[in-house]
Amino acid sequence: SQQGEEDPQALSIQEGENATMNCSYKTSINNLQWYRQNSGRGLVHLILIRSNEREKHSGRLRVTLDTSKKSSSLLITASRAADTASYFCATANAGGTSYGKLTFGQGTILTVHP
Amino acid sequence: ETGVTQTPRHLVMGMTNKKSLKCEQHLGHNAMYWYKQSAKKPLELMFVYSLEERVENNSVPSRFSPECPNSSHLFLHLHTLQPEDSALYLCASSQGTGWAGANVLTFGAGSRLTVL
Repeated sequence: SQQGEEDPQALSIQEGENATMNCSYKTSINNLQWYRQNSGRGLVHLILIRSNEREKHSGRLRVTLDTSKKSSSLLITASRAADTASYFCATANAGGTSYGKLTFGQGTILTVHP
Repeated sequence: ETGVTQTPRHLVMGMTNKKSLKCEQHLGHNAMYWYKQSAKKPLELMFVYSLEERVENNSVPSRFSPECPNSSHLFLHLHTLQPEDSALYLCASSQGTGWAGANVLTFGAGSRLTVL
């Protein structure tokens, strides 16, 4: 199985609601990152959380990491229609010699209705 | 603009054509990457260049040939592709060249390739 599997695959909410996406992974990590992708565009880095951190905030984003469960969650508070996009988690394996090799999940498609 | 520019944005080619994708980063980064994004599949890492040296070739078929003439430019040369190679090809760069730092990738907007 792949590293970094997101759940749910798709999420549809109303503007103003909170959106929570989850990511599970299988091996030890150095850090975990969340990216966003608007339709047909490149990915944009949102936030990075290191393996020794448990929670991180950036604006309306809150990321948690539970290394004992090998899982992370991304919470977007007070969602807006402009938050509509695909969200990917990416894990950077601990150790190894792969240069910046991040393993991406398949992503969660978030739709925020006005 | 993210600082990583990809051209062309869209490309349609036949199976016998030869074409190239170009990527340029204006960020002073030291590593550049090619990723393939197909529908319903995770992003697949294809190639990594660190300080202009190829450090990873992720079992990519030889019909894809990368070239990194300097730290700011990366090409992906395409020849005799198959219809299943149709995908969004994403270029990315990072400041770090290894695991010493946490590598955050800056992506370009992608080149949408269709192979007929």
